[in-house]
Amino acid sequence: EPEVTQTPSHQVTQMGQEVILRCVPISNHLYFYWYRQILGQKVEFLVSFYNNEISEKSEIFDDQFSVERPDGSNFTLKIRSTKLEDSAMYFCAGDPGQGYNEQFFGPGTRLTVL
Amino acid sequence: AQSVAQPEDQVNVAEGNPLTVKCTYSVSGNPYLFWYVQYPNRGLQFLLKYITGDNLVKGSYGFEAEFNKSQTSFHLKKPSALVSDSALYFCAVRDGSSNTGKLIFGQGTTLQVKP
Repeated sequence: EPEVTQTPSHQVTQMGQEVILRCVPISNHLYFYWYRQILGQKVEFLVSFYNNEISEKSEIFDDQFSVERPDGSNFTLKIRSTKLEDSAMYFCAGDPGQGYNEQFFGPGTRLTVL
Repeated sequence: AQSVAQPEDQVNVAEGNPLTVKCTYSVSGNPYLFWYVQYPNRGLQFLLKYITGDNLVKGSYGFEAEFNKSQTSFHLKKPSALVSDSALYFCAVRDGSSNTGKLIFGQGTTLQVKP
C-alpha cells in the first residue's frame, strides 16, 4: 500500500536558521497539505497546495514559510528563519481530489528549535 | 467559523467493554467528518469518514461513528474495546462548501483501554 514519506524524522536547528522539511506524497494525489502539532496541542492546518500554487493558508503561515513542489514528486516546507515557537511535529498530507476524500498523512518531522 | 470540540481529554474503558469518544462540530456548509488515530511517534491514520448517506458509518479496526445532524455530533464507537485500541483519537471536519481540503481538528482524546 502506498504511503506518504517524510524526511528527516527529526530535525534540530538553531534559532534563526533555515530548515527544509521534505515530503513525498502518494503518486496519484493532487492536493497537498502541511499541518503542525505543537507538543500536547491539536493538529493545526498550515497550507494547502494544488496545481503548483497555494490554494489556502492559515494565519500561522506567514512570510517565513514557503512551500513548493520542485520536481513533481517532492513537496517541501521551508521555514526561512526559525523561531523557538516553530518547534513542533510537522505533518505532510495528500488526497486525490474529488472534494471529499480523506487525507493521507505522513509520519511527521519533529522540528526542535534551540 | 469552523470548529471541532472533543469534550473529553481522556476516556478510560476496560477491555471488552464498549467505548465512545465524543465529537461535536460547527461548519457553515455541509460537514465532511473524519476520525483519525495517532499511535505514539506515528502519523495520523484514517479510521472513517462521513460525507453523505447513512448516519452510521463503519471504518477500520471495528470502529464506527454516528452522524447526528440535529446535535451536530459525530461520536466514535466500538462495541468491544481492545488494549491495542489505546491511542490518541482526533475528530476532524471539513466544510463541504469549501474549495480546499483544509481539515479542522479537535484537540484529541486519549483512549486508555485497560486489561
